[in-house]
Amino acid sequence: QQQVKQSPQSLIVQKGGISIINCAYENTAFDYFPWYQQFPGKGPALLIAIRPDVSEKKEGRFTISFNKSAKQFSLHIMDSQPGDSATYFCAASVNQGGKLIFGQGTELSVKP
Amino acid sequence: GAVVSQHPSWVICKSGTSVKIECRSLDFQATTMFWYRQFPKQSLMLMATSNEGSKATYEQGVEKDKFLINHASLTLSTLTVTSAHPEDSSFYICSAPTQGSYEQYFGPGTRLTVT
Repeated sequence: QQQVKQSPQSLIVQKGGISIINCAYENTAFDYFPWYQQFPGKGPALLIAIRPDVSEKKEGRFTISFNKSAKQFSLHIMDSQPGDSATYFCAASVNQGGKLIFGQGTELSVKP
Repeated sequence: GAVVSQHPSWVICKSGTSVKIECRSLDFQATTMFWYRQFPKQSLMLMATSNEGSKATYEQGVEKDKFLINHASLTLSTLTVTSAHPEDSSFYICSAPTQGSYEQYFGPGTRLTVT
């Protein structure tokens, strides 16, 4: 019940296209859902996050869509660029400052 | 965003020796820090929760006598890998939540290689 399932495992997108990564969870106590971007050999960087009281959040080219009833959330990267090529992790936590439960990760490759 | 640093960024040690990794919150205080390990092409696995002024909380299956955690101040947590063996070779990453916020920030990671 603590798991967060992420798909796809890898994704190849053409430059300018839309990248979509999906996550699903079981624990309805989760109330914070961040996305992290990680480049090889680096620590994860917080990209965007959402609370369950909203269904969508947009920051620049990055959008989180959240479906509370389906217990799913997704990351959309608009106008994908080669510089977006990285591994993306979704995560969830139960409360402020609580431990994050991570998805399995998605390796995104944006082809020029 | 807030900044978390780690030192060293990489370390090579011989089997049987101990290695200490530092995690610092540079511009905020952190009563809690988290330690993760990550193997190549895999997700982050939470090892333990470091609590300032009290004992760390370890995840199931993590040997507390092997991975010693000390949270000495509101800005510093250390992870000591004792009697390291080649199977302990991994990427160790710490994180810290900012107080009163859900946001959690990660350090740059420490690559440990045990020969």
